[in-house]
Amino acid sequence: DIQMTQSPSSLSASVGDRVIITCRASQSIGSSLNWYQQRPGKAPKLLMYGAFSLQRGVPSRFSGSGSGTDFTLTVRSLQPEDFGTFYCQQSYSPPWTFGQGTKVEIK
Amino acid sequence: QVQLVQSGTEVRKPGASVKVSCKASGYTFTNYDINWVRQAPGQGLEWMGWMNSNSGTTGYAQTFQGRVSITRNTSTSTAYMELSTLTSDDTAVYYCARAAGNDIFDIWGQGTMVVVSS
Repeated sequence: DIQMTQSPSSLSASVGDRVIITCRASQSIGSSLNWYQQRPGKAPKLLMYGAFSLQRGVPSRFSGSGSGTDFTLTVRSLQPEDFGTFYCQQSYSPPWTFGQGTKVEIK
Repeated sequence: QVQLVQSGTEVRKPGASVKVSCKASGYTFTNYDINWVRQAPGQGLEWMGWMNSNSGTTGYAQTFQGRVSITRNTSTSTAYMELSTLTSDDTAVYYCARAAGNDIFDIWGQGTMVVVSS
């Protein structure tokens, strides 16, 4: 199975800050990397797919990059509604696996 | 609008089985796969399995092989996930999620809490 490792596990940032979350795969997955946001008590929501494609309706302050084994999710200017836990997921080879999550808190 | 609506909270005793439903609306059910993902309290996301909603072909994570079954009723656009031989470790929120054959989960159900307790 492909292991996905995110860092940091949690962070606290202020409104307007730039936030970067990283995700590393245990083997090359090309660009088959997706990002989700999950607010407390809610289902995950797709933010980015194919490493850098923005899901329809997701604000353009979110961006993704990377290929192979190393990926990043960047929030250009953090907004109050950007709290929650962010997960990466590989869609390269089954079983589909998720990172352990990065919890984002707004200061 | 496009949505997946799941059945409500279930409480089971250890050793029992549970069947969770996921009703699709707003799109052609047979054009998309349905996946099931679970989340134990305070934990991350764990993929359980998938189903091609057109053919009924399924695939399961090794962790759940022999214990999980994903089925569908195309006339009601509903997918089902049945998990057997429950233990307390199966206490979790279970989500269905739509995927367009590329294993990108673009629409999620609201989740179904399953509690396993004696």
